Amino acid sequence: EVQLVESGGGLVQPGRSLRLSCAASGFTFDDYAMHWVRQAPGKGLEWVSGISWNSGSIGYADSVKGRFTISRDNAKNSLYLQMNSLRAEDTALYYCAKAQDSSSWYLFDYWGQGTLVTVSS
Amino acid sequence: EIVMTQSPATLSVSPGERATLSCRASQSVSSNLAWYQQKPGQAPRLLIYGASTRATGIPARFSGSGSGTEFTLTISSLQSEDFAVYYCQQYNNWPTFGQGTKVEIK
Repeated sequence: EVQLVESGGGLVQPGRSLRLSCAASGFTFDDYAMHWVRQAPGKGLEWVSGISWNSGSIGYADSVKGRFTISRDNAKNSLYLQMNSLRAEDTALYYCAKAQDSSSWYLFDYWGQGTLVTVSS
Repeated sequence: EIVMTQSPATLSVSPGERATLSCRASQSVSSNLAWYQQKPGQAPRLLIYGASTRATGIPARFSGSGSGTEFTLTISSLQSEDFAVYYCQQYNNWPTFGQGTKVEIK
């Protein structure tokens, strides 16, 4: 059974940093691209960032480019999101999501339960 | 950025009735269109991909159609567990989601 478990969220002041983690199990982690998708309270879904299986290809939404850094450790079956210079508008539930396959990099077939990031003074 | 527009925002349907949800892309996404279901307090669940292929374990009452810029999700006979928010998402390019359609009990 595929499991994605996010952690690292919390309350943080504007301008500060936070690092999210996603622990994956139930599939061959290093075969798949992985992504972060967020959902502001009561709002819709927004893709944040994605990384290929070997970290060779990385992408970011314009809203986080230059502030967030995605990475992965295939030996630890883990995905990360380093978030710097946080803003109030980054407040959201952050989901870790698995790409379905290599030909559909941006199709998400499994999602974690999310970790909540609240940016407030 | 490809903008995805869903309609209606809210759909009131009685159990057992058919529900039809629409999704429009601002430019062609071919058949690179997915539908997700999200229930309160839960993560999104993939229902349909490739515009019309049901994901693993998805009941046959869910069907998708369309290509290019116009897409439809149909739930043939609504069950109690189907009342939720549904999102479309294009994955032809940098992924974007529609704003969601809430299917509520009439």
